[in-house]
Amino acid sequence: QQQVKQSPQSLIVQKGGISIINCAYENTAFDYFPWYQQFPGKGPALLIAIRPDVSEKKEGRFTISFNKSAKQFSLHIMDSQPGDSATYFCAASERSGAGSYQLTFGKGTKLSVIP
Amino acid sequence: GAGVSQSPSNKVTEKGKDVELRCDPISGHTALYWYRQSLGQGLEFLIYFQGNSAPDKSGLPSDRFSAERTGGSVSTLTIQRTQQEDSAVYLCASSLEKVRHRVGGYTFGSGTRLTVV
Repeated sequence: QQQVKQSPQSLIVQKGGISIINCAYENTAFDYFPWYQQFPGKGPALLIAIRPDVSEKKEGRFTISFNKSAKQFSLHIMDSQPGDSATYFCAASERSGAGSYQLTFGKGTKLSVIP
Repeated sequence: GAGVSQSPSNKVTEKGKDVELRCDPISGHTALYWYRQSLGQGLEFLIYFQGNSAPDKSGLPSDRFSAERTGGSVSTLTIQRTQQEDSAVYLCASSLEKVRHRVGGYTFGSGTRLTVV
């Protein structure tokens, strides 16, 4: 069962355009929603994260929109640049039985920003 | 160290052989995670270590997979009798205690690309 569904699988955006990646979840125990950015040959790196009591969080050109009732959240990249070309993963965190937290990842979106 | 270090970066092995993958987390990070990333797939959770607690092994796909963490620092993921479907990138991540984890997320290593031929 895929707990975090991410779309699209791939995305091509013109330089200067807006990139939008969507994620949906079912598990209401999730209480923290980070996004990771991964360049080829590297591990994922935390990009931006949001808690469910906030509807939007913005950091520079990156914005997370969160809709708790719909159990959906999305990443918007404004003024997309070729350097943003990477794979993006949404994730959701829940408290595990051991009192720690575990992330569940979406399958990723490969973003290509063309000049 | 400055980041999470994994070795080797690439490993090619013959089907049926055992392999060991190493992860050296950020100094002071008490939590350590192993994930598997297959082509076109997301990150699949394998195992989690937190301090001296018993590890959460719920993600290990079979009994051919095992992991240990010595002295609360370096971790080794062992795959016995490797199969072609084990080919993937194995990622290690570490984080501070659970509060820090919620705020800052994980720090991942660059992974070990395992190819079973």
